[in-house]
Amino acid sequence: NAGVMQNPRHLVRRRGQEARLRCSPMKGHSHVYWYRQLPEEGLKFMVYLQKENIIDESGMPKERFSAEFPKEGPSILRIQQVVRGDSAAYFCASRGQLSSYEQYFGPGTRLTVT
Amino acid sequence: AQTVTQSQPEMSVQEAETVTLSCTYDTSENNYYLFWYKQPPSRQMILVIRQEAYKQQNATENRFSVNFQKAAKSFSLKISDSQLGDTAMYFCAFMIETSGSRLTFGEGTQLTVNP
Repeated sequence: NAGVMQNPRHLVRRRGQEARLRCSPMKGHSHVYWYRQLPEEGLKFMVYLQKENIIDESGMPKERFSAEFPKEGPSILRIQQVVRGDSAAYFCASRGQLSSYEQYFGPGTRLTVT
Repeated sequence: AQTVTQSQPEMSVQEAETVTLSCTYDTSENNYYLFWYKQPPSRQMILVIRQEAYKQQNATENRFSVNFQKAAKSFSLKISDSQLGDTAMYFCAFMIETSGSRLTFGEGTQLTVNP
């Protein structure tokens, strides 16, 4: 039963390093969403991707953050030159083509910037 | 822009009792979906219940039910016969398909079930 997979589960980076977060959607799902959860807050939408396309990146910070979902392989959320404020839990969710309201969440990646 | 408000940061209930978590939202859309998600200490996001705005009947899933008041833009979650495993953060969320089906979450309510 392969649900949404995220790795790593925990990631520690020093300020100025790069963080790469991976998300493998459920089998057959071609829509991926990334959300960020800052400490003591709710989840906030970052970006919505389909295979090889960014559909909506209105929630992404303008600098240092990028996302991709290639034809083959997982979706990647990349954060360059991390700062302490990037410390958060990053969740990926996926859905199929037909069920627009049914998103399945991965376990999240907790990023800690020291 | 859509907003979701959960006015109760923390709540507690005795095991086997009933508790209601509040949620209000703001939108000018007519067709949308509302959700309650549970986030236990493991941090996994678990869908508890879903309500389609075009349905007048309130959704029910075992011990979980909602009171959906569309005109008042209110969407509360009732948990009956509370169990220790219900202890978690609960998030109310909103979605419209025309926005690419992205979810807008409230700030959450931490529910503690006491033995």
